[in-house]
This record gives sequence, structure tokens and C-alpha cells, in this order.
Amino acid sequence: QKEVEQDPGPLSVPEGAIVSLNCTYSNSAFQYFMWYRQYSRKGPELLMYTYSSGNKEDGRFTAQVDKSSKYISLFIRDSQPSDSATPICHRWEGETSGSRLTFGEGTQLTVNP
Amino acid sequence: ETGVTQSPTHLIKTRGQQVTLRCSSQSGHNTVSWYQQALGQGPQFIFQYYREEENGRGNFPPRFSGLQFPNYSSELNVNALELDDSALYLCASSSGPAHTGELFFGEGSRLTVL
Repeated sequence: QKEVEQDPGPLSVPEGAIVSLNCTYSNSAFQYFMWYRQYSRKGPELLMYTYSSGNKEDGRFTAQVDKSSKYISLFIRDSQPSDSATPICHRWEGETSGSRLTFGEGTQLTVNP
Repeated sequence: ETGVTQSPTHLIKTRGQQVTLRCSSQSGHNTVSWYQQALGQGPQFIFQYYREEENGRGNFPPRFSGLQFPNYSSELNVNALELDDSALYLCASSSGPAHTGELFFGEGSRLTVL
């Protein structure tokens, strides 16, 4: 079982749609969660991060963590063509040295004008 | 403020050869981590260097090795290249150990092994 599993893509939506992306993880030690976004031919860039259960909002984006279910989600409201990229969920195991960093496989998202 | 830069951007090698990829970290960052990203996959953690010492390693064989220099730039070396090593290699820098904060990625070095 992979440590982080992300909904497979690709996902294509019309402009203005609400997008929901999900990841599940298997290790209860995971404490910190981030969503990165990767545009074609670019390195990933941070979209949002959270370390607690519940919702965190930033503009059109909401990150949700459910530690009891080991589930993390990213919601995008009023999606725009500029959101066409690959969001990737990310976690790490806490604050000890030598910790490993794990990314999901990404969900390729296309927002059509 | 200069971002993370990687070189070369593209390269082609043949099986069995060795390759060195380079990364200049963002100003003020003392940690560099390296990732392998196959086409259509997420980044896979190779290892990270914190203040010139390896500090964390993923499931990669010893033929993947690295260095971090006093100016915090870094190299990734891969020996005895295999066809499956063909991928985008990403470097990320951060202001502390990579598990404590935001990672700033370069645009990657795309390696093709023939």
C-alpha cells in the first residue's frame, strides 16, 4: 500500500465549477500536510498547508484534513483556466531528522473556458 | 532574491554511464532535497542535505549519491545509469529541514537514458 494515495486523473471541468481533489494516507504519524501545484514543465509550488484537522481557507481554495479517517482534500471554488495544473498532496512524518517526505501522484486538472 | 536553479535542463546519457546534476539553492536556505519524477507520477523523495550532511533518504539504491557544499548548493550523482532512471529530477531548497516548511522547487533536469 502506498503511503499517500491520490485520486487518479485526469479531471476536466468547465470554468466556474467547484473542484474536489482527495488523498488518503496510511501512517498515523503524519502530522503536516501540504498541497502543491505543478504547471506543465515547471517545478511544484506551494498552494496550501495545514497541520490540524478541519478546514483552512485561502481565497478560492480550501484544504480539509480528517485525521480520524486519514483523508485530506482540496476544494477549488469558481475554478479558472489558470488553475489548469496538477495539484499534488504532500505530507511528512513530523519533526525528527531523517524523516521522509511523500508526495501523491498528482491529479491533472484542466479548467475549460 | 534568486530562486532555485538547476543545471543542466536536459541531458541524454546511455545505460551504464554516470551523471551529475547541480542545484543552487535559494538565498538564505540551508537545506536541499532531491526528487525523481517519472512521467505522470508525483515526485519521489531521494534524499535531503541539511548543513552539508545527508539527513533523510528515500528508497533509492546507493548509486544515487549527493553532496552539499558550504554555500548550500548541491549535486546529485547517479552511477551505472539504467533505463528506468529516465525522469525529471527536481531539487528543492528550504530554510530548515525539508520536513518543517515550504519547499521551493527548481524547474528540474530532464534526464533521458538510452
